[in-house]
Amino acid sequence: QSVLTQPPSASGTPGQRVTISCSGSSSNIGSNYVYWYQQLPGTAPKLLIYRNNQRPSGVPDRFSGSKSGTSASLAISGLRSEDEADYYCAAWDDSLSGPDVVFGGGTKLTVL
Amino acid sequence: QVQLVQSGAEVKKPGASVKVSCKASGYTFTSYGISWVRQAPGQGLEWMGWISAYNGNTNYAQKLQGRVTMTTDTSTSTAYMELRSLRSDDTAVYYCARESIDFGVPYYWGQGTLVTVSS
Repeated sequence: QSVLTQPPSASGTPGQRVTISCSGSSSNIGSNYVYWYQQLPGTAPKLLIYRNNQRPSGVPDRFSGSKSGTSASLAISGLRSEDEADYYCAAWDDSLSGPDVVFGGGTKLTVL
Repeated sequence: QVQLVQSGAEVKKPGASVKVSCKASGYTFTSYGISWVRQAPGQGLEWMGWISAYNGNTNYAQKLQGRVTMTTDTSTSTAYMELRSLRSDDTAVYYCARESIDFGVPYYWGQGTLVTVSS
C-alpha cells in the first residue's frame, strides 16, 4: 500500500486533456514539493514535473502540474499515443521515523 | 551528457547478498547525491535511500534499515548498493538515479539491474 494515492488507471482519446490525481497527507504533499514521473514500458522512469509545477528542459508544455493542500494533479493536454505510459507522483515524507521519498502506486494511462 | 551505467543482472539464493554498481559520467560526481529505487515485477516504484557522493552521508528507507548499505568510490565515480539477507520479495529491477536540483529526488536514471532471488 503506497503512502501517496493515485487512481490505478486513466484513459483518453488523442487530443483530449486528462488529469491524474495524487493524494497524500500533511507530512508529505502538504509540506513538501511534488514530483511526477513518466515510465514507458520497459524503460526507466523520466522526471516530468519537479517542485509541483516546473518542467525540466525538453518536457513538452502539454504536461503541467499543480498542488493544493495535500493533493496534487498532473494534467496532459493534446493527448498523444506516445503518452501511453505509467505515471507516478512522489514527495518527501517527514515521518517520525525519518524522512523518506514516497511514491504513489502509479497510474496506467491508456490512449484509446 | 549525464549517464549512469549499472552492472548486469544477478540471480541470488534466499539469504544471500547482492551488490549493484552504478558508474556515473558526464558531470562532477561529488556534486550530486545518488538515490536507489527498486521496482518489483508489475509493481510500482519504491525508494530505497540516498547517498551523498560528496561526503558519503546516507539516508536509508526505514523499511530497509539494517539490510542495505550504499557506498561510493569517488576515484571511479561509481556508486554501490548492497542488499543483504535477500528474500523472494526482493526480486526487482534496481535503479540508481542522480538527484535533481532538489535533495534526494531522482532525475537522471540508470538503465536498471534485475535482481532475481530464487532457490
